[in-house]
Amino acid sequence: EVQLGESGGGLEQPGRSLRLSCTASGFTFGDYAMSWVRQAPGKGLEWVAFIRSKTYGGAIQYAASVKGRFTVSRDDSKSIVYLQMNSLKAEDTAVYYCCRGGGYHVIDYWGQGNLVTVSA
Amino acid sequence: EVVMTQSPATLSVSPGEGVTLSCRASQSVSSNLAWYQQKPGQAPRLLIYGASTRATGIPARFSGSGSGTEFTLTISSLQSEDFAVYYCHQYNRWPLTFGGGTKVELK
Repeated sequence: EVQLGESGGGLEQPGRSLRLSCTASGFTFGDYAMSWVRQAPGKGLEWVAFIRSKTYGGAIQYAASVKGRFTVSRDDSKSIVYLQMNSLKAEDTAVYYCCRGGGYHVIDYWGQGNLVTVSA
Repeated sequence: EVVMTQSPATLSVSPGEGVTLSCRASQSVSSNLAWYQQKPGQAPRLLIYGASTRATGIPARFSGSGSGTEFTLTISSLQSEDFAVYYCHQYNRWPLTFGGGTKVELK
């Protein structure tokens, strides 16, 4: 069974940093790209970041709203994907979902989500 | 950026009725189109990918069609567990984008 578990969210002040982690199990992690998708309270879904496995080149993509502030990375030996979020803004407040897939492989599994709140 | 527009924003229906949800892309996304269902407090669940292929475990009452810029999701006979928000999503071009969602609510 595919499982994705996020951790590391919480309350942080504007301008500060947070790192989200997502631990995957139930599939061969190194064979899959991973994405982060967020959902602001009461709003729709917004794709944030994508990282392909190193086996397939390790390409990375970001949404314009986070480019230059967020960094996605992965450790295939531990089946973990990270999202380092710097220079946080109030508009980054959202539930962040770790997802399997992205790009030409559809996002097919989602974690339970992790709430990040940016507020003074 | 490919803008995904879903209509209507809200559908009020009775159990047993059939419904059709629409999704339009601002430019062609070929068949790289997925549909997700999201219930309150839960993560989205993949229903359809490749515009018309049901994901594993999805009941046959869910069907998808379309290609290019026009897509539809049809639920042939709404069950109580189908009341939710539905999102379309294109994965053909960067950045990946989602529609604003259609809420299917109890009439």
